[in-house]
Amino acid sequence: DAGVTQTPRHEVAEKGQTIILKCEPVSGHNDLFWYRQTKIQGLELLSYFRSKSLMEDGGAFKDRFKAEMLNSSFSTLKIQPTEPKDSAVYLCASSQGAAETLYFGSGTRLTVL
Amino acid sequence: GEKVEQHESTLSVREGDSAVINCTYTDTASSYFPWYKQEAGKSLHFVIDIRSNVDRKQSQRLIVLLDKKAKRFSLHITATQPEDSAIYFCAASPGGSNAKLTFGKGTKLSVKS
Repeated sequence: DAGVTQTPRHEVAEKGQTIILKCEPVSGHNDLFWYRQTKIQGLELLSYFRSKSLMEDGGAFKDRFKAEMLNSSFSTLKIQPTEPKDSAVYLCASSQGAAETLYFGSGTRLTVL
Repeated sequence: GEKVEQHESTLSVREGDSAVINCTYTDTASSYFPWYKQEAGKSLHFVIDIRSNVDRKQSQRLIVLLDKKAKRFSLHITATQPEDSAIYFCAASPGGSNAKLTFGKGTKLSVKS
């Protein structure tokens, strides 16, 4: 089985641009998570979907971050407009169930200039 | 919400020695405690977990101990090898769900041969 696939691996954006990150979860997994990873804050949950329904939208990340899951095998994370403080690694993870092991993708490293 | 503290930000051991990484948590409702490993330039992958109905779990050279009274759990890596070098993240979840998983900030383990 393929693991979690994230594209692109790297993204460079100018301040104010819109960027869309993509994620394909492990086939058959019902839960999908978006995290942001920085050295200072560590891993922060952005969004959580269960069977394509948005269950958690990350509180503080609501205003410029929007995750969608149009079908069970594809999710996007849109950041609009980007700011330099959004520079981080964005990780997508999936699991078969709420209490099952998380499988992480390789991440997208975003740099906002 | 839950707060997870990882006490060692870096740890250096000699090959063959044991390494111990300690974490504490704040929410008495936490019942699921996974550990993830991130090798240089790669994403996170699951290594071992423990649930609150036991206080010890072992998988090959990895041992996890849980002290619910002290709200503390630890990862012990015995007979360390150079390939154990990585960043290790502990996490805790109230209610045992990934949706509520809070991660520590990571411990960078270096195993010197």
